[in-house]
Amino acid sequence: GDSVTQMEGPVTLSEEAFLTINCTYTATGYPSLFWYVQYPGEGLQLLLKATKADDKGSNKGFEATYRKETTSFHLEKGSVQVSDSAVYFCALSDFGGFNKFYFGSGTKLNVKP
Amino acid sequence: GAVVSQHPSWVICKSGTSVKIECRSLDFQATTMFWYRQFPKQSLMLMATSNEGSKATYEQGVEKDKFLINHASLTLSTLTVTSAHPEDSSFYICSAPLAGGPSGEQYFGPGTRLTVT
Repeated sequence: GDSVTQMEGPVTLSEEAFLTINCTYTATGYPSLFWYVQYPGEGLQLLLKATKADDKGSNKGFEATYRKETTSFHLEKGSVQVSDSAVYFCALSDFGGFNKFYFGSGTKLNVKP
Repeated sequence: GAVVSQHPSWVICKSGTSVKIECRSLDFQATTMFWYRQFPKQSLMLMATSNEGSKATYEQGVEKDKFLINHASLTLSTLTVTSAHPEDSSFYICSAPLAGGPSGEQYFGPGTRLTVT
C-alpha cells in the first residue's frame, strides 16, 4: 500500500543554517506530494505541494522537488529562522488529494537563535 | 482561503461517557471529510472517511461501533466517541478537500484534544 517515510527528529539547527528533511514514498499510482507544517498549539497548514514528477513546490523559502526516479520529496530551506520551529509532515495522496492522505511520522525542527 | 473548524477544541470526559466532536467547512461544501487521530509526538493516523449521504468508510483496525461518524450535511461531519476509555485520549483532526480546488488540496481543522479520565 501507499506509505511515506520521513527522517526522524528532532532536528536542531542554528539560525541561518541550511535545512534538509528527507522524505521518501511508496505508491501504486501517481500521487500528489505535500509538506504540511504544524506550529505549536495549531493545526496543520499546507506548506507546499507538487502534483507530478519533476514539479518543484515552494513557499516561504522552503522548496521540495518531486523525484519519481528516487521516489523522494525532500524539504529544503537555505536559511532557517527561529520562527520556522515546528513539526513538518510529508504526505501523499492519490487522485489529487480527493483520496485519503498518508502522512509521514513528522519531523520536529528546533531553530536556535 | 478555505477554513475548516472543529468544536470543541478540547474536552475532558469521564470513562464510560460519550463525546461528540464536530467538524465544519465554513466557506465551502464538502461531500467528503476525513477523520484522523494523532498520538503525542506521532503522525496522523487516518481513522475513517466521512461521506455525505452514505455510511462512513473505516480504516482497518478502527472500531465502527466505538467511533460513530455522521455526515449530516455538506458542511458538517461529527465523530462520536462512545463509551470512552482513557486509551481513547488523543488529538482528533478532521480535514476536507476543496472540490475544484488546486490539486485537490485538503484543509485541516485545528484539532480537538480529548482527555478521558
